[in-house]
Amino acid sequence: NAGVTQTPKFQVLKTGQSMTLQCAQDMNHNSMYWYRQDPGMGLRLIYYSASEGTTDKGEVPNGYNVSRLNKREFSLRLESAAPSQTSVYFCASSDRVTGSTEAFFGQGTRLTVV
Amino acid sequence: SQQGEEDPQALSIQEGENATMNCSYKTSINNLQWYRQNSGRGLVHLILIRSNEREKHSGRLRVTLDTSKKSSSLLITASRAADTASYFCATDAGGFKTIFGAGTRLFVKA
Repeated sequence: NAGVTQTPKFQVLKTGQSMTLQCAQDMNHNSMYWYRQDPGMGLRLIYYSASEGTTDKGEVPNGYNVSRLNKREFSLRLESAAPSQTSVYFCASSDRVTGSTEAFFGQGTRLTVV
Repeated sequence: SQQGEEDPQALSIQEGENATMNCSYKTSINNLQWYRQNSGRGLVHLILIRSNEREKHSGRLRVTLDTSKKSSSLLITASRAADTASYFCATDAGGFKTIFGAGTRLFVKA
């Protein structure tokens, strides 16, 4: 099982450029999440999708958009990158329908905005 | 604001010793989870304890939960060098917003 797959693993952007981070899971999970991890800050929730067709804001949504393309895929878009968005981004999925809230994480995307 | 706060921020011990990490949180929860993150990798789920449970074991891991004090502890017994990682608590208060703390960095010296 591949679990949760994120692409790309590394990316350098110039301020103002746009990009989309891709995430796919093969565990048939209903819920998917995007987090960012900054030194000393733990993980902060950007957006989540409780089920296919729905998306909601998390703790730090400004500057980001998301798309739940289908049950497997959940993408995160930066329309106009800023240095403050330099971070490590993690996608995760879980199966909330069964009551389990264990989350499975991808390997992360290390993004640098210069 | 973060729900979970881990203590200590960093911990260095010798192989074979026990490691204890603590987590405090602010609001009522449905469950609390602990995750491990090896350097440069994603988080891996270790254990989940529900709000009506007080203690849970999994291999060398022991987790306690005190809802009256809004705190939890993770004990790793007989630590190994391979346990070197960051450990995060995550609280679930319902909805879909699991909140992670800033983590404890554990270094186990061989």
